Amino acid sequence: GENVEQHPSTLSVQEGDSAVIKCTYSDSASNYFPWYKQELGKRPQLIIDIRSNVGEKKDQRIAVTLNKTAKHFSLHITETQPEDSAVYFCAAITFSGGYQKVTFGTGTKLQVIP
Amino acid sequence: SAVISQKPSRDICQRGTSLTIQCQVDSQVTMMFWYRQQPGQSLTLIATANQGSEATYESGFVIDKFPISRPNLTFSTLTVSNMSPEDSSIYLCSGSGSAYTETQYFGPGTRLLVL
Repeated sequence: GENVEQHPSTLSVQEGDSAVIKCTYSDSASNYFPWYKQELGKRPQLIIDIRSNVGEKKDQRIAVTLNKTAKHFSLHITETQPEDSAVYFCAAITFSGGYQKVTFGTGTKLQVIP
Repeated sequence: SAVISQKPSRDICQRGTSLTIQCQVDSQVTMMFWYRQQPGQSLTLIATANQGSEATYESGFVIDKFPISRPNLTFSTLTVSNMSPEDSSIYLCSGSGSAYTETQYFGPGTRLLVL
C-alpha cells in the first residue's frame, strides 16, 4: 500500500521567514496531493492541492511543488504570520473513476514566533 | 465546497457500550469517509462509506467493531461497538464532492472518551 513520509515533525520559524514542509510517497499511481491545516481542536482545512499533471501551484503566500519522478511534494509558506501556526498534513490520493485511496502524512507542527 | 456537520460533538461512554456518530453533508457527495485521530497524531482512515453497499474497511478495522451505514448521498453513521478505553479518540467524517473532484472536506469531529 501507499506510504507517505512527512518532514519535519516540528518546525519553528520567525515571523516573516519562509517555511517548507516535505512529503514523499511510494505509490506511483497516486495522482492528487492535498495539504491540510489543522488548528488545535478544529477540523482539517484544505489550504492547497496539486494534481499529478502539474508541477507547481501558488495561492498568495502558499505554494506546492510536485516532483513525480522523485515521488515527493512540498508545501512552501512565505512571509509567515503567527496565524500560520498549526499542524499541517499532506496526503497522497489515488483517484480513479470515483474511487479514492487516501493516505495522510504524519503531520508537521509549525510554530511562527512573533 | 461541502459543509459537513457531526453529532455528537463529544461524549463520555462506559466500557462495553456502543456509540453511533452521525455525519450530515449539506449537498450530495459521491464518497464519504470515516477517520480516527488521536490527539497530536495524524488521521487514520477507518473506512469508506459506500451508498447502497457495504463500507470498505482499511486494514485493522472490521465491520463488527465499526459498523457503518450510508442510506443516501448526504448522510452516514459510524458506530463504535463494545467500546474500550483504547477507542478513546476523535472521529472525523469527510465527504468528497463528486465523481470528478477528489477534494475531501471534513466534519468538526466527535471527541469520544471511554471510561
